[in-house]
This record gives sequence, structure tokens and C-alpha cells, in this order.
Amino acid sequence: KAGVTQTPRYLIKTRGQQVTLSCSPISGHRSVSWYQQTPGQGLQFLFEYFSETQRNKGNFPGRFSGRQFSNSRSEMNVSTLELGDSALYLCASSMGLGIHETQYFGPGTRLLVL
Amino acid sequence: SQQGEEDPQALSIQEGENATMNCSYKTSINNLQWYRQNSGRGLVHLILIRSNEREKHSGRLRVTLDTSKKSSSLLITASRAADTASYFCATPEIKAAGNKLTFGGGTRVLVKP
Repeated sequence: KAGVTQTPRYLIKTRGQQVTLSCSPISGHRSVSWYQQTPGQGLQFLFEYFSETQRNKGNFPGRFSGRQFSNSRSEMNVSTLELGDSALYLCASSMGLGIHETQYFGPGTRLLVL
Repeated sequence: SQQGEEDPQALSIQEGENATMNCSYKTSINNLQWYRQNSGRGLVHLILIRSNEREKHSGRLRVTLDTSKKSSSLLITASRAADTASYFCATPEIKAAGNKLTFGGGTRVLVKP
């Protein structure tokens, strides 16, 4: 089976812009979770989608949003980018809800906000 | 503060030696997971251990779980240069506001050839 894929792999944006990141889960997986990783805050949970519905949400401002399509592919959007949004954004897929199962991670999208 | 905290933050060993890292957590859990991350890449799942298990093995990896002490350990035996990576424990955090998998700060392991 193909692994989790994320596009794009690298992205440079300026403050105030918006960005959309994409994640394709492993075939058959219905859950997609998103994480932000920074040197200062480590790995932080953004949200989880299961069957096109947001099931869980981390402690991030409303500028961070996401959605999941009927084929389980997911997108994450960040509006009004700030310098502090520079990070590695990781998505992970699992068969069921992620807190009880093995999560399979993609390679990440590295976002740099200037 | 984080649900899971790894100790030590960094570890440097020679190839062939064993590496041990620990994870402590705060609330009751029904499972704990360990992941590895090579520099700047995605995480790779290593082992999931359930609360009714005390020890689990996978190749050169051995994970223990002590629910009474709310702690887990990951042992890598006969380390190799390719084991150089950051290792994270992850625990489920269940709250009324929503559930999530919480990762600790990680242990950076350097295996010197």
C-alpha cells in the first residue's frame, strides 16, 4: 500500500497570506489527524477528521481550519499567516480514531513564513 | 505541561551499546505508543502497548509499561548508527472538549559509529 502523502513538501509564504496543505491517507484509512511541529512547542495536535467530520480539535486559533473529503483526503488551511506559523506540518492517518490506534505519518510540509 | 514527558532529552552512545529512554505521563491511559523521527521527517510508529500489557518486544526494541508509576521505557539493544533519531512517546488525552494523541518532547539519540 502507498503511504501517507503530503503536498507540497516545502512552502514559503509572507505574513498575511493564506496557505492550503493537502494530505492523502493510506487507502482504507478513514481518520486523518494534523499536527504542528516547532522546535519550541514540539508536536502539537491541530485536529482530527473522521468520515468527513471534525471529531477532535486542539488548542489553535480559528485561523487554522481543515476539511476532509469523501475519499478521506484532507486539507488544512491557515489564513492570515503569522511568523510563528513557520513549522513542519504533519498529517497522520489511521483506520479508526487516532488516539487508540497506530498512526501512519506523512513526510510533512515545511512552511516558512517571512 | 505535556501529558507525556521523555527523559533524558538527549542521549549519546557508541554503536553496539544499549539505549534506554523513559516516558512519564499524568492521567490514566489505555495505551501508549512510541514513535521515531529522523531529522525533519515524518514520524514512524514503533510499538503500541496497551494498559493490560507490561512488556512488548519488536526486533531490537523492548517497551515496558508500569501503569502504577505512570511510566514507560523504550530500550534499543545493540544500537546502530541508523538508530540516530528522536524518539517520542504518545498517550491519549481524553477530555470533554475533545480527545487527542499527545506527544512528549522527545529524546534525541545519537549513535556514534
